[in-house]
Amino acid sequence: GAVVSQHPSRVICKSGTSVKIECRSLDFQATTMFWYRQFPKQSLMLMATSNEGSKATYEQGVEKDKFLINHASLTLSTLTVTSAHPEDSSFYICSASHDQGEQFFGPGTRLTVL
Amino acid sequence: SQQGEEDPQALSIQEGENATMNCSYKTSINNLQWYRQNSGRGLVHLILIRSNEREKHSGRLRVTLDTSKKSSSLLITASRAADTASYFCATDGSNFGNEKLTFGTGTRLTIIP
Repeated sequence: GAVVSQHPSRVICKSGTSVKIECRSLDFQATTMFWYRQFPKQSLMLMATSNEGSKATYEQGVEKDKFLINHASLTLSTLTVTSAHPEDSSFYICSASHDQGEQFFGPGTRLTVL
Repeated sequence: SQQGEEDPQALSIQEGENATMNCSYKTSINNLQWYRQNSGRGLVHLILIRSNEREKHSGRLRVTLDTSKKSSSLLITASRAADTASYFCATDGSNFGNEKLTFGTGTRLTIIP
């Protein structure tokens, strides 16, 4: 099956700093990428959908100026958490899909904001 | 709000027994999928069932779908310790493509050796 990677797998940062998380589709071209957030022992909540070359579509309640998403190529999308606060600590998971098929999920990035 | 609710929230069974998890959803769907997530890891796709299907099998997995009741069940037969994980259902309204998924609340399954 298709492989999606995320980098970094874990990140710890100080409050007020910005953190960038990368999501890459390694062996296919992803026309659409999704970003999810998962709090401990909870389900995945979709944050935004991004299509290559266009602006991301954010779900209700997700601040687009705080969670910057860039999908500059067919194999890379980035999520930048700006001015991170402890309440942003979470597990962030991306998924990628192409026109034909299913979503393939990355392994996730655990963000801890001190 | 959550599209999917799963029950039970947590389930512990002895190795070798069968595990059944249920998922209910609220709106019309095209597909329903089940995923597994080991603690602190990403999702593993298990099985997809389309809205015009009623039952599907894959190895030790059996999934049913009742669109009239807006519910699905996942049965894992002859459970193994390695099946310990959280299981999520997810629904989408597309023809299995690049449309967003809505996840259920999940069932934490523990297999006792």
